[in-house]
Amino acid sequence: SYELTQPPSVSVSPGQTARITCSGDALPKQYAYWYQQKPGQAPVLVIFKDSERPSGIPERFSGSSSGTTVTLTISGVQAEDEADYYCQSADSSGTSVLFGGGTKLTVL
Amino acid sequence: EVQLVESGGGSVQPGGSLRLSCADSGFTFRSYWMHWVRQAPGKGLVWVSRINSDGSSTAYADSVKGRFTISRDNAKNTLYLQMNSLRAEDTAVYYCARDAAPIAVAGTGGMDVWGQGTTVTVSS
Repeated sequence: SYELTQPPSVSVSPGQTARITCSGDALPKQYAYWYQQKPGQAPVLVIFKDSERPSGIPERFSGSSSGTTVTLTISGVQAEDEADYYCQSADSSGTSVLFGGGTKLTVL
Repeated sequence: EVQLVESGGGSVQPGGSLRLSCADSGFTFRSYWMHWVRQAPGKGLVWVSRINSDGSSTAYADSVKGRFTISRDNAKNTLYLQMNSLRAEDTAVYYCARDAAPIAVAGTGGMDVWGQGTTVTVSS
């Protein structure tokens, strides 16, 4: 079955740049979305349509796409960015939706 | 403020049933495709099901197909998830979420509004 693959964890120091990747065969055909989830809270959409940022999301969050890999980049990481991040997309037919396994971002 | 409020969670024995509800507040509910997403304790997000804006098209994850039914009542601005033949592995927080994908690819995600979640526990 189709899967989206993310690294389980990423660690960065405050002020550095964090990059979280997500790989999947259908990503060239379907948009990718990124969510931030903090403990005990519902997810929040931080990137949509591969690289667009919803209103209210800080400019340090950006997204990019290249072939079968999409990347969430957080520039100038702050302590408040420590959270789990999930990529999400759809299968090539657009019928099924799926999430990546999630990446825990630790701010050292 | 746009808001989704889930209800209906609880504890049930294996093989039992529950119906979850998700009521909208503050947006044109009938215009949007909707999703159910769940999260088992300490685990990641898992998509469960989605429904189109008028309820005529649905899709399910393989793990719930044949046991769960998604539906909606646009007159009541409410989304539902009927869960039958529940198993221990269905234990999770269940979220409803609004789909904000472009019209051409509606139903493929971009969930921009989420409820607070309702907890389902399946245990004997």
